[in-house]
Amino acid sequence: RKEVEQDPGPFNVPEGATVAFNCTYSNSASQSFFWYRQDCRKEPKLLMSVYSSGNEDGRFTAQLNRASQYISLLIRDSKLSDSATYLCVARDFGAGSYQLTFGKGTKLSVIP
Amino acid sequence: EPEVTQTPSHQVTQMGQEVILRCVPISNHLYFYWYRQILGQKVEFLVSFYNNEISEKSEIFDDQFSVERPDGSNFTLKIRSTKLEDSAMYFCASDRGNEQYFGPGTRLTVT
Repeated sequence: RKEVEQDPGPFNVPEGATVAFNCTYSNSASQSFFWYRQDCRKEPKLLMSVYSSGNEDGRFTAQLNRASQYISLLIRDSKLSDSATYLCVARDFGAGSYQLTFGKGTKLSVIP
Repeated sequence: EPEVTQTPSHQVTQMGQEVILRCVPISNHLYFYWYRQILGQKVEFLVSFYNNEISEKSEIFDDQFSVERPDGSNFTLKIRSTKLEDSAMYFCASDRGNEQYFGPGTRLTVT
């Protein structure tokens, strides 16, 4: 059974803080990993892909450790607009399918 | 920027009725998906569609569900006889084998 596990939070942080989210996945054959964000009652929106070498997009840094089956997301200098649920996602390649397995999400509230 | 669109945004139906949820994937994408999210729970994969056929489906996607791509742009999910537990957000998604993009969803309420 494919599972992605995340700390559900909530994480309540002041503006300007640095916050880190972690996630583990059970399927060692998973090929690709992503962070999505989801606002209340909206669709998941792709935040960034996660690469083994680590990657950065502005204030966001993602890391992947395949040996530990562990993924992280670091948000620096948090903004009010960062308040959302952050979804850790694994993708598996099948025959004609790249289905995503989602974690339950970690809720972030950035407080003024 | 191209985006996935879905209609309707909200559908209310009575138990036992058939519903069709519609999606227009991004035009140059090749793989199409339906996911659902019950309120307060995680996003769950239902089915993937490639080359005009189902490529993979989850255990949720039973005989009550079907998908179709009736023309070059639309992608539909049909639930033949809705149950109360089908109440959820249904998201359509598409990709070209890389990053997957989601539509805004259809909120299905079964009464």
